[in-house]
Amino acid sequence: GEDVEQSLFLSVREGDSSVINCTYTDSSSTYLYWYKQEPGAGLQLLTYIFSNMDMKQDQRLTVLLNKKDKHLSLRIADTQTGDSAIYFCAERGAGGGADGLTFGKGTHLIIQP
Amino acid sequence: DTGVSQDPRHKITKRGQNVTFRCDPISEHNRLYWYRQTLGQGPEFLTYFQNEAQLEKSRLLSDRFSAERPKGSFSTLEIQRTEQGDSAMYLCASSPRGGAFDTIYFGEGSWLTVV
Repeated sequence: GEDVEQSLFLSVREGDSSVINCTYTDSSSTYLYWYKQEPGAGLQLLTYIFSNMDMKQDQRLTVLLNKKDKHLSLRIADTQTGDSAIYFCAERGAGGGADGLTFGKGTHLIIQP
Repeated sequence: DTGVSQDPRHKITKRGQNVTFRCDPISEHNRLYWYRQTLGQGPEFLTYFQNEAQLEKSRLLSDRFSAERPKGSFSTLEIQRTEQGDSAMYLCASSPRGGAFDTIYFGEGSWLTVV
């Protein structure tokens, strides 16, 4: 079955860049997503990338996709205290079934002053 | 606010009681999903609807769980005879049409604590 892996914690200094990594196993993935979850809240869609792209930039966010290695990353430039949250990588398969999302366990981004 | 709306946001119930959560998707979104998230985990798929039809249920959805979307708009998720293991956040999400090229938008979630 599909599997999405992320490291659990990342600590960065305010103003530095954060890079959150994710690996997935479903080679039929169509879209890959990054969601942000603040404490006690739902999931906020940050950005997504289509599987035939290798990079997407949106303001402070840069998504890199290496489809050969099934590796996805999210770079947040000039990290701020408001970026402190859990970041979930999710993939969407092209196959049948729920056609929904498979999530990783999330990466806790910790900002040091 | 025209996002996905869930109610109640928090619910504490005694073991053995029934609870019901409501979800109002984004207007005119045809597809509606329910996910469950426990502490330290990512959301896990429970079930989804295309309009009023429930098209798939995860094996996580035991017989004590039932979901409906009677008119293809709002949905309810009922848990009967709650158990402590049901304690989690229940997330509702919607997307315009369904299919691999749609974006899925989530609500704020409904926290359930079973004591």
